[in-house]
Amino acid sequence: SQQGEEDPQALSIQEGENATMNCSYKTSINNLQWYRQNSGRGLVHLILIRSNEREKHSGRLRVTLDTSKKSSSLLITASRAADTASYFCATYPSTGRRALTFGSGTRLQVQP
Amino acid sequence: DGGITQSPKYLFRKEGQNVTLSCEQNLNHDAMYWYRQDPGQGLRLIYYSQIVNDFQKGDIAEGYSVSREKKESFPLTVTSAQKNPTAFYLCASKGKETQYFGPGTRLLVL
Repeated sequence: SQQGEEDPQALSIQEGENATMNCSYKTSINNLQWYRQNSGRGLVHLILIRSNEREKHSGRLRVTLDTSKKSSSLLITASRAADTASYFCATYPSTGRRALTFGSGTRLQVQP
Repeated sequence: DGGITQSPKYLFRKEGQNVTLSCEQNLNHDAMYWYRQDPGQGLRLIYYSQIVNDFQKGDIAEGYSVSREKKESFPLTVTSAQKNPTAFYLCASKGKETQYFGPGTRLLVL
């Protein structure tokens, strides 16, 4: 079953604008991760936030985590055409199966 | 170069045929994973292995089988029991906390 669900499913913005994607999950987690996938390729890890963290930055990426609401957001600032890709959140559970569960993804299109 | 390789890039299966997808890593990771991705969808876990000679079923294991005889290798067999095998298959290994993905194999049915 898919634990994480992303919102929106698709997002189209102009270059230079910010892009925000949201993720909700259902069970207790150890950490939450965001991955990027270019069309027809494998996934690339972007950023990880642990359950005891509320916000994390990496370059133009900002991730927040609200464990009380079981939700996370990924913000990409000053977007570029090269940011066009699908973005997935993935959760690592605090108990049980030792494997990531991926959401359904947000398809981001950045118009030059 | 360190990383994960998957072969072949494209694979064609005839009805009733078993096919095997290769996944090799030289990252010295213990854990490895197989995911299936359908068009426009997220990743669903097929099988995973935490250590050599051990593996567990994921959410959609029916019609698939795996082996883990070596740390570097985690091949996936799509059996004839899998009635809808057309998809993009991704292999991954896990480092300390994050997963590293191969480039994927696209399986098509003739």
